[in-house]
Amino acid sequence: TQLLEQSPQFLSIQEGENLTVYCNSSSVFSSLQWYRQEPGEGPVLLVTVVTGGEVKKLKRLTFQFGDARKDSSLHITAAQPGDTGLYLCAGFGNKLVFGAGTILRVKS
Amino acid sequence: NAGVTQTPKFQVLKTGQSMTLQCAQDMNHNSMYWYRQDPGMGLRLIYYSASEGTTDKGEVPNGYNVSRLNKREFSLRLESAAPSQTSVYFCASSWIPGGNTIYFGEGSWLTVV
Repeated sequence: TQLLEQSPQFLSIQEGENLTVYCNSSSVFSSLQWYRQEPGEGPVLLVTVVTGGEVKKLKRLTFQFGDARKDSSLHITAAQPGDTGLYLCAGFGNKLVFGAGTILRVKS
Repeated sequence: NAGVTQTPKFQVLKTGQSMTLQCAQDMNHNSMYWYRQDPGMGLRLIYYSASEGTTDKGEVPNGYNVSRLNKREFSLRLESAAPSQTSVYFCASSWIPGGNTIYFGEGSWLTVV
């Protein structure tokens, strides 16, 4: 069974701070995705990373896929209250596997 | 655009009752999925349908059945609800099986008492 572990589980920070969320596994994935989910809604895809070592930027969000394609990180620069939500990583192996998620709260 | 639509949004059931969650997508996707989301456990795949006419078990299929009624619709049935099935259920779809872009519905909150 392929497992994805996300850390931290909870993160509460002040507006303007930087943060990093990690997604780790002992398994190799062909690609890895990050989703953001707001209360009362379904997850929405933010990005897909495919190549080991790949870095993608989406405004203030930077996503990196580990060289060995077993881990990934999400870095948010100068967090805003609108970044508040549940961040999920998901890896494609023989099927799509989700991590448990990181709950981010950005206080103004 | 409607995308993926689930009904009902909220439901309370008594133990042993049955119910069906309905899901429809208007994106002409081939593959559809049912997930459940529980605190601290992420999204777990219950059943999926790679294409019209096929269904397969996911990670946690026990206590559930599914029907791919046509290309648009994929329903999830609880024959005899149990408190352990209290969860938030998400339907999703993608163009191809395990396709890189999976679109989720807004979720159905189910409580079994």
